[in-house]
Amino acid sequence: DSGVTQTPKHLITATGQRVTLRCSPRSGDLSVYWYQQSLDQGLQFLIQYYNGEERAKGNILERFSAQQFPDLHSELNLSSLELGDSALYFCASSADTGTDTQYFGPGTRLTVL
Amino acid sequence: ILNVEQSPQSLHVQEGDSTNFTCSFPSSNFYALHWYRWETAKSPEALFVMTLNGDEKKKGRISATLNTKEGYSYLYIKGSQPEDSATYLCALTGAGSYQLTFGKGTKLSVIP
Repeated sequence: DSGVTQTPKHLITATGQRVTLRCSPRSGDLSVYWYQQSLDQGLQFLIQYYNGEERAKGNILERFSAQQFPDLHSELNLSSLELGDSALYFCASSADTGTDTQYFGPGTRLTVL
Repeated sequence: ILNVEQSPQSLHVQEGDSTNFTCSFPSSNFYALHWYRWETAKSPEALFVMTLNGDEKKKGRISATLNTKEGYSYLYIKGSQPEDSATYLCALTGAGSYQLTFGKGTKLSVIP
């Protein structure tokens, strides 16, 4: 158990819909990262938040957005869903720097039908 | 864009065999190299973080080395056991960023 929690574990929805994925980081960690694992793709970085502020953006679609709240939990919002958005979405957390270990949550498997 | 390559893509070994795999990355813009172990239906589990050229890390039967000048890292597993079966991922942190750029992994299957 990494100490990072994610809900829900599974999500099935239809094209065009909007969903919210939630992540609670390990106690004391200020950074939260979101990654996407699609079929035949490696883990792709989406976005990072540090202590409530967006710090870095990766290959995140404009239809996707995220935020980190004062209690440090984070939400990833996916809207106007397409079939290709079906993937495993991981949240990870770390203390701060690039040499800190990132601890991964159990992931949310999103299926868009 | 950082390009992290792992080889081989998959590997089958007999229980008791020792094995190793490679992670290659651009030697410029290097900041840190991470190794993860990812079992099916679980989340990636951190093994090592390495930053210095010549770094060697060990955790039980698993060890890793790092060569930042030539841009590669090796992961070694001594005396493979069936429970070592997993996908082993390496990931790079580039200078000036904290996000991980992952390779596609090496899938290890240990045959009893």
